[in-house]
Amino acid sequence: QVQLVESGGGVVQPGRSLRLSCAASGFTFGGYGVHWVRQAPGKGLEWVALISYDGSNKYYADSVKGRFTISRDNLKNTLYLQMNSLRAEDTAVYFCARGFQLERLDYWGQGTLVTVSS
Amino acid sequence: EIVMTQSPATLSVSPGDRATLSCRASQSVSTSLAWYQQKPGQAPRLLIYGTSTRATGIPARFSGSGSGTEFTLTISSLQSEDFAVYYCQQYYDWPPWTFGQGTKVEIK
Repeated sequence: QVQLVESGGGVVQPGRSLRLSCAASGFTFGGYGVHWVRQAPGKGLEWVALISYDGSNKYYADSVKGRFTISRDNLKNTLYLQMNSLRAEDTAVYFCARGFQLERLDYWGQGTLVTVSS
Repeated sequence: EIVMTQSPATLSVSPGDRATLSCRASQSVSTSLAWYQQKPGQAPRLLIYGTSTRATGIPARFSGSGSGTEFTLTISSLQSEDFAVYYCQQYYDWPPWTFGQGTKVEIK
């Protein structure tokens, strides 16, 4: 079965960096685009970034553009999110989600919590 | 950017009753609309895509309709496990892929 497992969250000071990982299994990872979506405490879902199946195309929300970098290693079946210059407003649960043909997000991980605080 | 607006913010429904959730897009998204269910402490789950197609394993009591800018998710007879927050999402024009702010379905 399709599984996505995020890791790497934690407490970080404003201005510092953090890298999230998402380990995929149960499907051909290299055949799908993958998204990062975040959810601030008590709030709704906010799309963060997408990387295409081969890593050749990357898209970002304006709120993270220039600070976050999405990448993937298809040999390791793993997605990454490098987060630099973190701000308090980046505090959220970060989910990775498989993208079906750049349309719906059909499978989601359980999320990893990032807290940006001094 | 296409803005998705859901209403109401909270819907109080008795078990066994019908629930009707609305989602409006700031411009036409054709039928490129998905619905997700999220329970507390859990990841979102895909319910509906293409406005009206149920995802794998989703019960028939969930149905979707609409086109253009107006969409509806209907739960025909609410079960205890259906009390959750529901989000709509458009994938017609991206980036960004945009979500509504959610509708919480609570027990009346």
